[in-house]
Amino acid sequence: GAGVSQSPRYKVTKRGQDVTLRCDPISSHATLYWYQQALGQGPEFLTYFNYEAQPDKSGLPSDRFSAERPEGSISTLTIQRTEQRDSAMYRCASSLVAGSSYNEQFFGPGTRLTVL
Amino acid sequence: AQSVTQLGSHVSVSEGALVLLRCNYSSSVPPYLFWYVQYPNQGLQLLLKYTTGATLVKGINGFEAEFKKSETSFHLTKPSAHMSDAAEYFCAVSEVPSGGYNKLIFGAGTRLAVHP
Repeated sequence: GAGVSQSPRYKVTKRGQDVTLRCDPISSHATLYWYQQALGQGPEFLTYFNYEAQPDKSGLPSDRFSAERPEGSISTLTIQRTEQRDSAMYRCASSLVAGSSYNEQFFGPGTRLTVL
Repeated sequence: AQSVTQLGSHVSVSEGALVLLRCNYSSSVPPYLFWYVQYPNQGLQLLLKYTTGATLVKGINGFEAEFKKSETSFHLTKPSAHMSDAAEYFCAVSEVPSGGYNKLIFGAGTRLAVHP
């Protein structure tokens, strides 16, 4: 597509429910990132994919968080048994892969998650 | 570990006045440095970046920033503010990417208000 899209844009859920967020990256981009942005803070790295591989999960806050990218394109971020502290903006970004050179990350509009 | 500090969570300037948004970073290796802008209901957009070479970098919309290694700073400036510059600005740092992977560490952001 023309840009990175995310859905839903807003999600309100009750504590204890599972939620799944979706990211559709730019079609030519091999690398995909997930960030979490709490209110009043900058985005914080959660995980990234290189095609379907997920080499770095170091930013995932707990084992309730998981991400997939089974076909190397669309990715989902799932939060199980949501807690109020999970309320945040979840941002997805994608970029080209080109060895060791820098590649700009293009960000989607984000999903605002509110856990009641 | 890398970190970013943005001085001032809110900055207010008059239209036509100088814009100065401050960013200091901490990094044990030569960093890559970025400024992103976020307009309401939109994703983060790259304003400018420093990777290597000239320390004064120019970006979109008349913004520029200077990498000062001795001061560990990367302040963002614009000579004359416009109403359309009102947005939230994020400074970010990363290590030299390896394998195309480029994890960004963001500051907490500075909200810029421009008044007539």
